[in-house]
Amino acid sequence: AQSVTQPDIHITVSEGASLELRCNYSYGATPYLFWYVQSPGQGLQLLLKYFSGDTLVQGIKGFEAEFKRSQSSFNLRKPSVHWSDAAEYFCAVGGSNTGKLIFGQGTTLQVKP
Amino acid sequence: DGGITQSPKYLFRKEGQNVTLSCEQNLNHDAMYWYRQDPGQGLRLIYYSQIVNDFQKGDIAEGYSVSREKKESFPLTVTSAQKNPTAFYLCASSSGNFGNTIYFGEGSWLTVV
Repeated sequence: AQSVTQPDIHITVSEGASLELRCNYSYGATPYLFWYVQSPGQGLQLLLKYFSGDTLVQGIKGFEAEFKRSQSSFNLRKPSVHWSDAAEYFCAVGGSNTGKLIFGQGTTLQVKP
Repeated sequence: DGGITQSPKYLFRKEGQNVTLSCEQNLNHDAMYWYRQDPGQGLRLIYYSQIVNDFQKGDIAEGYSVSREKKESFPLTVTSAQKNPTAFYLCASSSGNFGNTIYFGEGSWLTVV
């Protein structure tokens, strides 16, 4: 079955600390992977995506993610978190029709001053 | 500005009523999508359309209907057959070509009273 798992429902980090949000997927075909961010009551904004090539992907707002096929993972990282990064983060997987995405349950990030 | 406009932002529906959520995009995108978001469950695909006058069911289409008479418009009707319609609904669009970004609207909150 196709699925995305984000093991951490809620994460709290201090401002300036590093961040890693975990994402594991199960997908029968070649996976195309995405990370989105959502502020409360708003739509989703794409942070980064992986389709092929270099397995370390750079995104907006200083985020990066690494695709590890052997571990079926696509973890999101940021070296130094800012208070404005507090939001909900979604990992998603799709195929050639890039709008048909399977989303994880989301991870809520809280940033302590 | 280019983007996706969803309306209304907040909608209250009495049980047994049908309601229609509007989604308009001026991005000249071929493909459009409707997702439903429930707390702790991520997003799930309701319907999608890759071209005018054509659409397909997603994972949770029961109790919903759509139309795609114009390229820029993809309204979603939540019918009385939908057992638990209270949710946040997100419309999205993409050019439909492989690798292109999916853009999301700001969402519509539907509450059944």
